[in-house]
Amino acid sequence: NAGVTQTPKFQVLKTGQSMTLQCAQDMNHEYMSWYRQDPGMGLRLIHYSVGAGITDQGEVPNGYNVSRSTTEDFPLRLLSAAPSQTSVYFCASSYQGAGSEKLFFGSGTQLSVL
Amino acid sequence: RKEVEQDPGPFNVPEGATVAFNCTYSNSASQSFFWYRQDCRKEPKLLMSVYSSGNEDGRFTAQLNRASQYISLLIRDSKLSDSATYLCVVSRYNQGGKLIFGQGTELSVKP
Repeated sequence: NAGVTQTPKFQVLKTGQSMTLQCAQDMNHEYMSWYRQDPGMGLRLIHYSVGAGITDQGEVPNGYNVSRSTTEDFPLRLLSAAPSQTSVYFCASSYQGAGSEKLFFGSGTQLSVL
Repeated sequence: RKEVEQDPGPFNVPEGATVAFNCTYSNSASQSFFWYRQDCRKEPKLLMSVYSSGNEDGRFTAQLNRASQYISLLIRDSKLSDSATYLCVVSRYNQGGKLIFGQGTELSVKP
């Protein structure tokens, strides 16, 4: 019973490098999202998806791309990393409709951009 | 102005104390409200939903004041295990989806 699997747990990048944070869920959830968490800022929504093939921007989408080719996977891409993207990233999923208030989170990725 | 605002604390209380957290939200279109708990930079977990009439779950009581756009969480008889960050969360949709998080209030319960 894996739930939401997020990889890697830690990553160090140099400015300008690209990388993809992986997120997969095995609960057949329609809704998936990516948040970043910075000290004093709480969790801020980056991108979200209400189903395969559908994505939309959250509060802080700049510098990030997403795609949702399957129900299970929702990768987050940093095309050209910047120090401002140093943060803890959480992927989350939930049902649509009833039960959607309960987000199931991955264990987080600590990303440092030098 | 942030859409959801909380006093970041920290709140330092002795075991057995009663402590209350407040939260305000700016978007009057917000439909649903929740409290999440986060332990030491681990992933957040849903603590309870907040209903218009107020609701209780054991030692935890949540209140909503739509007119003042204000949410509260009361913890009675604090336990050491209650030490965590409490996140106020709102959504513009009836049952959730696209949740907006406050910055969290840190609680430390001391023996």
